[in-house]
Amino acid sequence: EVQLKESGPGLVQPSQTLSLTCTVSGFSLTDYSVHWVRQPPGKGLEWMGVMWSGGSTAYNSALKSRLSISRDTSKSQVFLKMNSLQTEDTAIYYCTRGQLSYWGQGVMVTVSS
Amino acid sequence: DIQMTQSPSSLSASLGDRVTITCRASQDIGNYLTWFQQKPGKSPRRMIYGATNLAAGVPSRFSGSRSGSDYSLTISSLESEDVADYHCLQSIQWTFGGGTKLELK
Repeated sequence: EVQLKESGPGLVQPSQTLSLTCTVSGFSLTDYSVHWVRQPPGKGLEWMGVMWSGGSTAYNSALKSRLSISRDTSKSQVFLKMNSLQTEDTAIYYCTRGQLSYWGQGVMVTVSS
Repeated sequence: DIQMTQSPSSLSASLGDRVTITCRASQDIGNYLTWFQQKPGKSPRRMIYGATNLAAGVPSRFSGSRSGSDYSLTISSLESEDVADYHCLQSIQWTFGGGTKLELK
């Protein structure tokens, strides 16, 4: 069964760095890409970036300077790091597989002092 | 950057109505268009991929179509369980539309 699960801190202080982990099961990271998507409260979805199955990455141009996605294939984990967080980064953060056919439950991240 | 203009932003319809939501692409995206349904407090669910292909387990009352740069999601006969937010996504440069909130009249 394909599963993805996001984990990370629920609260981050402004100007700090967000670190999230997506732990997957039921498939290999070397066979499928994993994307990160976020959704501010009451707003639409925003594509953030992707770890392709071959190990390369691509990022939303609006976030590129602050965002980094990496992985550990042995642990079936994909990592998101985003620095210089501001209140507008408050959102639910999702990881999702391939053509976005499978999604994690999401993790709520609040940026506040 | 490719922009996706989704309309309407909100829609109120009655049970049994035919409902259509549209996304317009600012550049050619071929058929790289996916539709998602999202219910409150839930993760998005893929409904249509490749502009016209029904995802596994999706009821046949849902369909996707394309006319030039306009991509549409149609529900042929609205059911109460279809009340949700709907999002389109272009997967050339990976941009979502602004979303449509579908409610019951």
